[in-house]
Amino acid sequence: QVRLQESGPGLVKPSQTLSLTCTVSGDSIISNSFYWSWIRHYPGKGLEWIGHVYYTGTPYYNPSLKSRVTISVDTSKNQFSLRLSSVTAADTAVYYCASTLHDYGDYPSDSWGQGTLVTVSS
Amino acid sequence: SYDMTQPPSVSVSPGQTARITCSGDSLGNKYTCWYQQKPGQSPVLVIYQDKKRPSGIPERFSGSNSGNTATLTISGTQAMDEAAYYCQAWDGSSVVFGGGTKLTVL
Repeated sequence: QVRLQESGPGLVKPSQTLSLTCTVSGDSIISNSFYWSWIRHYPGKGLEWIGHVYYTGTPYYNPSLKSRVTISVDTSKNQFSLRLSSVTAADTAVYYCASTLHDYGDYPSDSWGQGTLVTVSS
Repeated sequence: SYDMTQPPSVSVSPGQTARITCSGDSLGNKYTCWYQQKPGQSPVLVIYQDKKRPSGIPERFSGSNSGNTATLTISGTQAMDEAAYYCQAWDGSSVVFGGGTKLTVL
């Protein structure tokens, strides 16, 4: 079973860049079984897919966030990362990293981190 | 962008069958998965590829998908099943979530 753990600042100022890292254990990030995903949850509201990346580095992004998002993989550390630029209060959410099954037509995420609350405020 | 619509809330009595729907244009032509999320917890995958259950998910959870509607069915609903449920699909270029359904077990 893959285990994932998010880390990063819990408070980011408006207009700055949100940066989070997900550490993967229990499996190698160099796996053809998974994509590595970022998903956020607005408190009291729904889930939003941010994007996912394959271990080769090929990313796929939510079109509504594409201009601000970068997801990358560090195979040497078994980690993947999220950068979201020019944040506003609307980016305040719980951010999850997850492993997403490759070659499944619905891209189901079968393991999730515990989530980290990121608040955008001055 | 592709939209998937869920009812905001569904109520069910303990022991009865709960059905949560997810509607989208020709959704039956796509694979759909479902997540359960309880307050303060991470989502848990309960159904993938329309009707498959991950290991550890009780048999009372089942899924179907046809036409424009995917359905998550919980048979013999228990109090522990009270949670938010989200459908998810791939629209060809991105993952899309439904808006979520709050299941209340009365």
